[in-house]
Amino acid sequence: DTGVSQDPRHKITKRGQNVTFRCDPISEHNRLYWYRQTLGQGPEFLTYFQNEAQLEKSRLLSDRFSAERPKGSFSTLEIQRTEQGDSAMYLCASSSPPWTSGGPSRELFFGEGSRLTVL
Amino acid sequence: EDKVVQSPLSLVVHEGDTVTLNCSYEVTNFRSLLWYKQEKKAPTFLFMLTSSGIEKKSGRLSSILDKKELFSILNITATQTGDSAIYLCAVVVASGGSYIPTFGRGTSLIVHP
Repeated sequence: DTGVSQDPRHKITKRGQNVTFRCDPISEHNRLYWYRQTLGQGPEFLTYFQNEAQLEKSRLLSDRFSAERPKGSFSTLEIQRTEQGDSAMYLCASSSPPWTSGGPSRELFFGEGSRLTVL
Repeated sequence: EDKVVQSPLSLVVHEGDTVTLNCSYEVTNFRSLLWYKQEKKAPTFLFMLTSSGIEKKSGRLSSILDKKELFSILNITATQTGDSAIYLCAVVVASGGSYIPTFGRGTSLIVHP
């Protein structure tokens, strides 16, 4: 399967622990996004990478959150000192660049998500 | 702040009904609008709309964009129980060299047999 894969699919942790999620995008996609989704809400943007550069970060991304994409391939999202409010589904998505420079974006392909429960 | 509003938030219909889902937006630097279907897993892509008035169609689903009035609709005709899902609308805005999709809350559609 050559889709977006995320690991782990489920994580239960105690408040105060650190967690790390991994995302492997579709191999030819240079754009990678992290979103957070809670029940009854749409995905909320967290951060965006173009190749290895982190170009955008949401205000939602507090200093407890850090994301990396070394070598422009897989990405990790780490949450330090987890809080119960961090419980959510963390979705990763990837896309190709636009067909033409300045042209419309291409669609995002999502992974199955990593569900975090903080006790 | 960019805003994407979907309505209704939930909808319950019977098989065979036709439904219209709405997505309105207020954003700067609009690039495109995306529709996704989300069952109990990752969102799956339905349509991308960039130009006003051009209908996109796939089977019983169709969608159109109005860039003057800043909205899009997703129509589903002859609904089936398999159409039960959350339908998400996302507006892609350009920010520097980045394209960032902003999602609405979604419309939860339940189709009863």
